[in-house]
Amino acid sequence: DTAVSQTPKYLVTQMGNDKSIKCEQNLGHDTMYWYKQDSKKFLKIMFSYNNKELIINETVPNRFSPKSPDKAHLNLHINSLELGDSAVYFCASSPPREPEQFFGPGTRLTVL
Amino acid sequence: QKEVEQNSGPLSVPEGAIASLNCTYSDRGSQSFFWYRQYSGKSPELIMFIYSNGDKEDGRFTAQLNKASQYVSLLIRDSQPSDSATYLCAVNHRGNMLTFGGGTRLMVKP
Repeated sequence: DTAVSQTPKYLVTQMGNDKSIKCEQNLGHDTMYWYKQDSKKFLKIMFSYNNKELIINETVPNRFSPKSPDKAHLNLHINSLELGDSAVYFCASSPPREPEQFFGPGTRLTVL
Repeated sequence: QKEVEQNSGPLSVPEGAIASLNCTYSDRGSQSFFWYRQYSGKSPELIMFIYSNGDKEDGRFTAQLNKASQYVSLLIRDSQPSDSATYLCAVNHRGNMLTFGGGTRLMVKP
């Protein structure tokens, strides 16, 4: 009955690889987000999706691409992974017309 | 200049005391303000939010907002060791975008 879920929980990979992280929410929310939390614990928004449309795209490298097959899912695909991509990635969602956001458990990505 | 600033701490308080966590923000157009709690290795958890100047109370937590001073705080009464965590202040100022501060680590000692 997890509200916002992410898979995998841990991801260890080599530089240059391509990987995806999946996110699903069963709250009926219509906006979903991806955040990156670096080693200094700063939480920074990367993307926001509302009804399958990208409405916020922070200055992240174009190696990162969000993909939303439907309102309940927002996946994050990363091409050509770099050492600096190592971080914890959090998915979040928010209800219609409300700014409160609810976070998934996070995916710890380690690039070797 | 960071948009949302918090003292990184750690802030150490004895059990039963009041913990006071502070946050300043730079964008005067900010509309709403949030406090999240994050335990080590876990995801941020929403504690409360505030939109209007003044105080908002929820159980042992009180959020205080002063838009003129661009200042928001969180008071935790009767602090418990289980309150030990990092507290993240977040500000919503553009659509649904949240900008987070770096967090304040709170330690409640038994």
